[in-house]
Amino acid sequence: DADVTQTPRNRITKTGKRIMLECSQTKGHDRMYWYRQDPGLGLRLIYYSFDVKDINKGEISDGYSVSRQAQAKFSLSLESAIPNQTALYFCATSDPSGDDYNEQFFGPGTRLTVL
Amino acid sequence: AQKVTQAQTEISVVEKEDVTLDCVYETRDTTYYLFWYKQPPSGELVFLIRRNSFDEQNEISGRYSWNFQKSTSSFNFTITASQVVDSAVYFCALSDMEYGNKLVFGAGTILRVKS
Repeated sequence: DADVTQTPRNRITKTGKRIMLECSQTKGHDRMYWYRQDPGLGLRLIYYSFDVKDINKGEISDGYSVSRQAQAKFSLSLESAIPNQTALYFCATSDPSGDDYNEQFFGPGTRLTVL
Repeated sequence: AQKVTQAQTEISVVEKEDVTLDCVYETRDTTYYLFWYKQPPSGELVFLIRRNSFDEQNEISGRYSWNFQKSTSSFNFTITASQVVDSAVYFCALSDMEYGNKLVFGAGTILRVKS
């Protein structure tokens, strides 16, 4: 089974709708991240969480909110979706110690289309 | 500020050609990590390599090799004898202490390998 899972994998929604993207991990990592990918722009950080009580805005947080329900779960919400939020969204985890220091482990991505 | 530049937006080669993907980074930190990720057409992100700033040895893994040069702030990636399966988007990324070990991605290079 995958260490980092995202649901849904694909979603089409309409402008103004509220939508939640969910991320779960079994790696036991404290740090979790949400990125969006747009063609030609690479991945940009939306929000990140270094533990359950520590949530921070990233580079492009406007229009998004997050919830860290548990160490293993980190959800991204679009309160009122707009077409320019159409993108590929990735969740990632990392562990600041150990052999995987600084490596981020990515989920499979959620392709979101806002009409 | 942290920045990663992948100047090559798209590269097309014929199978069996060697190809080098360029990555130039900016950071004020002396301790940092550099990464390469591959994103095949299926969309997931595949980790390829992590290199820390204190290890300037070049690395080879099969047909892949990486050239890290601190003097020019570059971390270039070469694929020898390219294959059609190498067709993907390749991302270079930087993580440093000043930025809280978060990843900063380049815009990506699209590699198309034709048979």
